[in-house]
Amino acid sequence: AQSVTQLDSQVPVFEEAPVELRCNYSSSVSVYLFWYVQYPNQGLQLLLKYLSGSTLVESINGFEAEFNKSQTSFHLRKPSVHISDTAEYFCAVIPMDTGRRALTFGSGTRLQVQP
Amino acid sequence: DGGITQSPKYLFRKEGQNVTLSCEQNLNHDAMYWYRQDPGQGLRLIYYSQIVNDFQKGDIAEGYSVSREKKESFPLTVTSAQKNPTAFYLCASTPRAGMPDGYTFGSGTRLTVV
Repeated sequence: AQSVTQLDSQVPVFEEAPVELRCNYSSSVSVYLFWYVQYPNQGLQLLLKYLSGSTLVESINGFEAEFNKSQTSFHLRKPSVHISDTAEYFCAVIPMDTGRRALTFGSGTRLQVQP
Repeated sequence: DGGITQSPKYLFRKEGQNVTLSCEQNLNHDAMYWYRQDPGQGLRLIYYSQIVNDFQKGDIAEGYSVSREKKESFPLTVTSAQKNPTAFYLCASTPRAGMPDGYTFGSGTRLTVV
């Protein structure tokens, strides 16, 4: 079984400041990793993903995340946030091999960008 | 445009009643999923279906039932046995079961018990 921990339930930050949203996972098998974003009363949108290759992955809107296998982490970072980044962010994993073939999510981190 | 349609957007249920949430996709995806979202708990898997006429329980299946009679439809029934059904429910699909990405999510149904 897999589990995902997002320790920070809320992260307030000022506009143009850097931000890091933390994600740690636990799994007995190798996993694929994802970050999803959710705006109020909407579904989830994929922000970025790690499937293989370079451990540093980037999104088109300036977010990046680095897969650290030894620390079982996949933290999300942005060097300068905008008001429009205010949303809830979910880290998720899915096992690479057989087993339950569905995403397992963390509890989410609400990013609040203040002017 | 292809996508997932969840209806209704808002649903009110009296205690003791069963209600059914609709999820329809026109993406020709094999696999479909139901998640429940509560504040501070993230998304938890209720049921998923890898193919028509097949489905598996997720982490919190008690008090819920599903069917998958058609490829494009995966309705979720919240029964009276579900003790605390007030939540936001999200449906998702992927082209094939076990695909690591390619998830498409619906816009959700907010269920409130009155």
